[in-house]
Amino acid sequence: EAQVTQNPRYLITVTGKKLTVTCSQNMNHEYMSWYRQDPGLGLRQIYYSMNVEVTDKGDVPEGYKVSRKEKRNFPLILESPSPNQTSLYFCASSLSLQPYEQYFGPGTRLTVT
Amino acid sequence: QKEVEQDPGPLSVPEGAIVSLNCTYSNSAFQYFMWYRQYSRKGPELLMYTYSSGNKEDGRFTAQVDKSSKYISLFIRDSQPSDSATYLCAMSASGAGSYQLTFGKGTKLSVIP
Repeated sequence: EAQVTQNPRYLITVTGKKLTVTCSQNMNHEYMSWYRQDPGLGLRQIYYSMNVEVTDKGDVPEGYKVSRKEKRNFPLILESPSPNQTSLYFCASSLSLQPYEQYFGPGTRLTVT
Repeated sequence: QKEVEQDPGPLSVPEGAIVSLNCTYSNSAFQYFMWYRQYSRKGPELLMYTYSSGNKEDGRFTAQVDKSSKYISLFIRDSQPSDSATYLCAMSASGAGSYQLTFGKGTKLSVIP
């Protein structure tokens, strides 16, 4: 089954404790992206990657890091999480020629206390 | 002024009604216009996309883009309870800008049986 998977689905952590949210897709997509979704603010892009070793900032990159060492994986790293990073996070992927057709993962709900 | 404005609703309609969902935008560079549907506790999924101006129809769904007014619409005919979801408009520029999607905040729709 073609899909985007994220782990963990739910995470509660404390301020300053480094964490990684993994994202993997099995569709051989070149493009991958991370979003956060907050009430009243909608879906905002954090980082995106057009291919292996090629990443770029989205609208809200502060406090986040990403890496793209393999085509299928695109982990999101929070080196020192803060409470304002409490949010619902989505990973998405698409073919590079069809960036408008993004396939989203199921989401990761992160709470930072 | 936000780049993409979308009335968050909620919008409640009886089954069988015609639903009209709208977004306005300010960035004249936008060329791709998408509608995503998001069910509760799920990731968004692409419903339809349009490149530049015009109309596009897919079953009960019609997307319209008026670039002169910077206004896009999604119409749902013969609405069904299964259409109850949050509808997100999204836009991007062409070329390298096509990888950066800007989303509206979403309109929550309820179709009452």
